[in-house]
Amino acid sequence: NAGVTQTPKFQVLKTGQSMTLQCAQDMNHNSMYWYRQDPGMGLRLIYYSASEGTTDKGEVPNGYNVSRLNKREFSLRLESAAPSQTSVYFCASSEGGQPNSPLHFGNGTRLTVT
Amino acid sequence: GNSVTQMEGPVTLSEEAFLTINCTYTATGYPSLFWYVQYPGEGLQLLLKATKADDKGSNKGFEATYRKETTSFHLEKGSVQVSDSAVYFCALRYSGNTPLVFGKGTRLSVIA
Repeated sequence: NAGVTQTPKFQVLKTGQSMTLQCAQDMNHNSMYWYRQDPGMGLRLIYYSASEGTTDKGEVPNGYNVSRLNKREFSLRLESAAPSQTSVYFCASSEGGQPNSPLHFGNGTRLTVT
Repeated sequence: GNSVTQMEGPVTLSEEAFLTINCTYTATGYPSLFWYVQYPGEGLQLLLKATKADDKGSNKGFEATYRKETTSFHLEKGSVQVSDSAVYFCALRYSGNTPLVFGKGTRLSVIA
């Protein structure tokens, strides 16, 4: 059982380049999330999808777009990367429906923008 | 809005010492509360949770009690091991379709 799988694990971009971070879960979860983790800032929510077909902005959505491709997959796109987007990105999923249903995290994508 | 405040780290302890990591929250109503742990190079893993006042979550020797009167959910362990070295995150959530709100994390280092 793979859980939440993120690709790639590492990426280096130049300012202005674009890329898509991929995330897939095999737990039949309804909800999916993208967070970024920066030193001293904890985890900040970028976007989330409460269910297939819906997406909502989180705390720091500027510079990002998302697509909930199907129930399994939730991608994050950087259209024009900036150095401020250097971070570790985590995808997560949860069953949804109950407030005590935990999030399951992938192992992260470490992105550097030069 | 809803928020979570954790004690600042890093915290450095000797093996077998007692651990407390403080967590308080600001929220209306009764959120579910969580502790997550992140080992080096990995994603976050659920450590324990509690869903109502006076509930105690426990796992791997760690415990935390949901205290509504003090809006706290402090993490404790009676005897830490080197393998407990990680970053610990406190978090809250109101409904099943809303995201978790995380604290900033507390780094724990346990030395032999």
